[in-house]
Amino acid sequence: AQSVTQLDSQVPVFEEAPVELRCNYSSSVSVYLFWYVQYPNQGLQLLLKYLSGSTLVESINGFEAEFNKSQTSFHLRKPSVHISDTAEYFCAVSEWGRDDKIIFGKGTRLHILP
Amino acid sequence: DAGVTQSPTHLIKTRGQQVTLRCSPKSGHDTVSWYQQALGQGPQFIFQYYEEEERQRGNFPDRFSGHQFPNYSSELNVNALLLGDSALYLCASSPDRGHLATNEKLFFGSGTQLSVL
Repeated sequence: AQSVTQLDSQVPVFEEAPVELRCNYSSSVSVYLFWYVQYPNQGLQLLLKYLSGSTLVESINGFEAEFNKSQTSFHLRKPSVHISDTAEYFCAVSEWGRDDKIIFGKGTRLHILP
Repeated sequence: DAGVTQSPTHLIKTRGQQVTLRCSPKSGHDTVSWYQQALGQGPQFIFQYYEEEERQRGNFPDRFSGHQFPNYSSELNVNALLLGDSALYLCASSPDRGHLATNEKLFFGSGTQLSVL
């Protein structure tokens, strides 16, 4: 069975500063990895995903995540955050080839400070 | 395109009661999954419906049941409500099962906030 650990429940960061949201996973089989974002009073939206190939994946709004198999990590980073990035971010995993059941971490709330 | 719509948006029930939550999938989607998101937690997979049948189930008791209709809409039923059932219930739809990651077509609704008093 897969599991996901997000070490930080909340991360405060000043606007225009860089941020890293940490995610570690556990699985006995190959996996797909995801980051989802949940803005206040909205549903979950896929931010980016890793399926295979290049270990660095990027989103359209400046976020990136790097798959590190040896450390079983998939940390999310952004070099300069904006107030609009205020949201809850969920790391998630699914079994490779069996991606209709996604396991989520507990989430990290990103607070952008003015 | 309305996306995934859920109703009601908020609901208050008392212990022991029964509740039905509804979900209309995104146009063109035929698979519906339900998740429970307790306060401060990530969403947990309840079950998935495809072709009007439950195809996968997470670690939830039989008090949680569902249904899918011929128009692909779905209901989540919870019997004998407990205080611990208070949560945001999310519905997600996709065009077909087994290809979510490659197709990027899993869409979530905004959820139903259930409070059990």
